[in-house]
Amino acid sequence: GEDVEQSLFLSVREGDSSVINCTYTDSSSTYLYWYKQEPGAGLQLLTYIFSNMDMKQDQRLTVLLNKKDKHLSLRIADTQTGDSAIYFCAEIPQNTGFQKLVFGTGTRLLVSP
Amino acid sequence: DADVTQTPRNRITKTGKRIMLECSQTKGHDRMYWYRQDPGLGLRLIYYSFDVKDINKGEISDGYSVSRQAQAKFSLSLESAIPNQTALYFCATSGQDSYEQYFGPGTRLTVT
Repeated sequence: GEDVEQSLFLSVREGDSSVINCTYTDSSSTYLYWYKQEPGAGLQLLTYIFSNMDMKQDQRLTVLLNKKDKHLSLRIADTQTGDSAIYFCAEIPQNTGFQKLVFGTGTRLLVSP
Repeated sequence: DADVTQTPRNRITKTGKRIMLECSQTKGHDRMYWYRQDPGLGLRLIYYSFDVKDINKGEISDGYSVSRQAQAKFSLSLESAIPNQTALYFCATSGQDSYEQYFGPGTRLTVT
């Protein structure tokens, strides 16, 4: 089947903006999520967007959704070294009965001083 | 105290051994999940349970079994461990009306 795809690695300088991209599989997914995994820890929900929205802003985070292209992005403004982590997008596809999260491969963000 | 705990946090075992990973939660959630994480592959669902009497296979259940001993406890067993089961294992929970999942800290399992 199709996979939820993300680029594996992104490197930015402190203070710059970071943009993490995701291509998901099911245009009928109702919610799309971004999870953050810090080193040695489990995943933590960062933000989510409902499928009838095309943008959501939450402090330094901006989520953009393009349903036509099944493309989701996470923009982190003024990226800090503490933002260094792995970021996972996730969807709940119709073919799971809208019951299970399907995660992307994860993007490792490295923020250098 | 953490809402979702996993034991052990790290384990090294030999090929062919039986091993159990345990998960407990204090969030009062009905739904519990087991995932494995491999570099470059993201998280893949092994098993999930929507209540004590409900157990379902995920996408990679072969070689694994689970037991839902109580609402708060969900354990994952490897009956006969093999080296390609070396991975980071996560337990997660969610409420019945929410798709947000809460993750444990993970168990790093190495099979030699």
